[in-house]
Amino acid sequence: DAGVIQSPRHEVTEMGQEVTLRCKPISGHNSLFWYRQTMMRGLELLIYFNNNVPIDDSGMPEDRFSAKMPNASFSTLKIQPSEPRDSAVYFCASRIWGGETQYFGPGTRLLVL
Amino acid sequence: AQTVTQSQPEMSVQEAETVTLSCTYDTSESDYYLFWYKQPPSRQMILVIRQEAYKQQNATENRFSVNFQKAAKSFSLKISDSQLGDAAMYFCAYRSAIPGGGADGLTFGKGTHLIIQP
Repeated sequence: DAGVIQSPRHEVTEMGQEVTLRCKPISGHNSLFWYRQTMMRGLELLIYFNNNVPIDDSGMPEDRFSAKMPNASFSTLKIQPSEPRDSAVYFCASRIWGGETQYFGPGTRLLVL
Repeated sequence: AQTVTQSQPEMSVQEAETVTLSCTYDTSESDYYLFWYKQPPSRQMILVIRQEAYKQQNATENRFSVNFQKAAKSFSLKISDSQLGDAAMYFCAYRSAIPGGGADGLTFGKGTHLIIQP
């Protein structure tokens, strides 16, 4: 079975540009999580969805960040406008509702110049 | 809010020897899950082992085992017969077993960089 798929794997952009990160969860998983990893703050939960509905977005750093899950097989994390401090690795993870384990995608390494 | 602390930024071990990585956590909840994830240079997050708090028996997965001390809020990872492929960052993580709200996300420690010396 395919694991969690994220695209792009690497993104380099200039400050002020819009960035869209994409995630396809494992088929049958109905919980989806977005995390950010930086040297300073480590791994942080940004937002998560259950059955396509955002449950907790308290980790989203600012209004520049938004996430959507229009259907069970696709989610996006958008940053508009991007800033250099947004540079990080962004992970998507999925889990069966009620299950114990989250399975992570390979991550998207974002560099904002 | 729950916190997870990994007090060893870096550990080094000779190949074939045993190493223990430490993790402590703080929570007021009685039911939760604990995990160890491995992150090699590829940055992929790989689940190593998990433990349910209500289970007294320590989890084991081949060369990997945990020492779960619920009263002390301690969750250490022991790697036996260390191999070169074990070299990676290791993250301890906590998740509440209470459904809903923000409980479903993982809270991570800062990680321990494990070096395997040949």
